[in-house]
Amino acid sequence: GQNIDQPTEMTATEGAIVQINCTYQTSGFNGLFWYQQHAGEAPTFLSYNVLDGLEEKGRFSSFLSRSKGYSYLLLKELQMKDSASYLCAGGGSNYQLIWGAGTKLIIKP
Amino acid sequence: DADVTQTPRNRITKTGKRIMLECSQTKGHDRMYWYRQDPGLGLRLIYYSFDVKDINKGEISDGYSVSRQAQAKFSLSLESAIPNQTALYFCATGDSYNEQFFGPGTRLTVL
Repeated sequence: GQNIDQPTEMTATEGAIVQINCTYQTSGFNGLFWYQQHAGEAPTFLSYNVLDGLEEKGRFSSFLSRSKGYSYLLLKELQMKDSASYLCAGGGSNYQLIWGAGTKLIIKP
Repeated sequence: DADVTQTPRNRITKTGKRIMLECSQTKGHDRMYWYRQDPGLGLRLIYYSFDVKDINKGEISDGYSVSRQAQAKFSLSLESAIPNQTALYFCATGDSYNEQFFGPGTRLTVL
């Protein structure tokens, strides 16, 4: 079957670091995406990993291990505006994405 | 101007009514998608289209239909709306790397 699992909610402190984990099972794996979604708004692209390893983009980094079916999103120097849901999505066959339910990240001062 | 637009942004309707949600894009992408999002359930695929003549059912197509009028336009219809179709609906386009670009969403309430 195809499945994406990620924690429902996480809390972190402004200025700190947080890691959001995602495990996946998709047929015809074609990359792992992370999107950010503020409440009531559209998801926006954060990162894409198709090969194993770490991709760094400013304060955000994403890691992929294909053999373990595992990815994480690392957010550094957290800011209040980072309070949002973070969606993990696996690229499956036929140009579809299999979406996780999202992790709601709450940032406290 | 936004690359992916949706109309209306908000809609309140009654059970049994037929409604149409419209999506237009200027990104030039062939692939287009309709999703619904419910709290705690994430994005679920309703229909997707690879071009005007290629339309496919997604995970939850029952009660919905679509029309791809042109490369740039993809409409979603609820033939006879019911309360459990109350949700946030997103249209998206997809590029050659499978990255998807979302419209602003339509908040639909069925009374």
